[in-house]
Amino acid sequence: LAKTTQPISMDSYEGQEVNITCSHNNIATNDYITWYQQFPSQGPRFIIQGYKTKVTNEVASLFIPADRKSSTLSLPRVSLSDTAVYYCLVGDMDSSYKLIFGSGTRLLVRP
Amino acid sequence: NAGVTQTPKFRVLKTGQSMTLLCAQDMNHEYMYWYRQDPGMGLRLIHYSVGEGTTAKGEVPDGYNVSRLKKQNFLLGLESAAPSQTSVYFCASSYDVGNQPQHFGDGTRLSIL
Repeated sequence: LAKTTQPISMDSYEGQEVNITCSHNNIATNDYITWYQQFPSQGPRFIIQGYKTKVTNEVASLFIPADRKSSTLSLPRVSLSDTAVYYCLVGDMDSSYKLIFGSGTRLLVRP
Repeated sequence: NAGVTQTPKFRVLKTGQSMTLLCAQDMNHEYMYWYRQDPGMGLRLIHYSVGEGTTAKGEVPDGYNVSRLKKQNFLLGLESAAPSQTSVYFCASSYDVGNQPQHFGDGTRLSIL
């Protein structure tokens, strides 16, 4: 089964830019890369999605290199409310329906 | 706009008891999923459904059964609950798989004594 790898935790300060990288060596040709945010006692919430190069929305940017074996979620000017766990989700080359979440990165934003 | 609704939000069971968790979505999504999340861990896929009347096994299906009799509902059943099934269960739905984001409910916290 394909798997993803993320840093377990990251610390930052308010106003800084945070970059979280996810490795996904077995990503399938037709699969997208999707990032989710999860607060305690809540379900994950969609942040951003992309296939290649760069995608930007009102809350984040997603950078994907040409080989698509990794992706980087970029959060500009984080605030305390960005403290959460961030997951990347990609398809599985062995079985396209066995969706696998990454282990998640616990981001702590300090004042 | 309710999105994905899970019932119940909390439940305590005794070992060997059975129960059904209900997931309902109002977005006309074809795909639905059940995950479990254990403390400090990511989500693991239990079962999923690609449409009404169809279900399939995910990463950790043992001890669970599912049914998708109606497009908007996805039921997760525990026939004989075990302490190892103590977890938070999340339901999700999506328009498609892979390149469509999943929409999650707020979870069911299940404790089995």
